[in-house]
Amino acid sequence: AQTVTQSQPEMSVQEAETVTLSCTYDTSESNYYLFWYKQPPSRQMILVIRQEAYKQQNATENRFSVNFQKAAKSFSLKISDSQLGDTAMYFCAFMTPGGTSYGKLTFGQGTILTVHP
Amino acid sequence: GAGVSQSPSNKVTEKGKDVELRCDPISGHTALYWYRQSLGQGLEFLIYFQGNSAPDKSGLPSDRFSAERTGGSVSTLTIQRTQQEDSAVYLCASGQVQETQYFGPGTRLLVL
Repeated sequence: AQTVTQSQPEMSVQEAETVTLSCTYDTSESNYYLFWYKQPPSRQMILVIRQEAYKQQNATENRFSVNFQKAAKSFSLKISDSQLGDTAMYFCAFMTPGGTSYGKLTFGQGTILTVHP
Repeated sequence: GAGVSQSPSNKVTEKGKDVELRCDPISGHTALYWYRQSLGQGLEFLIYFQGNSAPDKSGLPSDRFSAERTGGSVSTLTIQRTQQEDSAVYLCASGQVQETQYFGPGTRLLVL
């Protein structure tokens, strides 16, 4: 079974600064996807970024980028130029395509990020 | 385009009553998932639909929980004889099979 661990229950950052959220996972699979989702107080789970394990290049989406270390099974999220609207709970998630996992997501415990003005 | 929608947004019920939670996925998405988010258990998978069939029901916590999907679209999660431990946010997500999932806003269920 796969497990996902987010070791930082809470983080805070000043507006315009950079913050990194940590995530580690455990799996014996070689083909998988990793995701970061954001859940603001509105409860809507929003996809931030996705990384395919077979890709060596780290994914980026505007101010959001990941540091994917496959051998270390680490998948951290870097948020640059933090904005007040980035305040949310962030979840790291793992998915194995194919087989009897049926693409279901396994989530970490979440990290509450607060951006201060 | 329209995203995943869920209704009701909030539901308060008395212990022992039955509740139905509805999910309208993104049009054309074959895969539909239900998850539960609670303080003690975090986010946990409940059931997966591919079209109208449910090949993976492994996350349903008890036989009081059931779900169906009709027309390859709308899904309903039913909880019979609700218990206080069923209080949680129930999230629905849709996507193409084994691809990125897009979530609805969830239904917050409170069992008194």
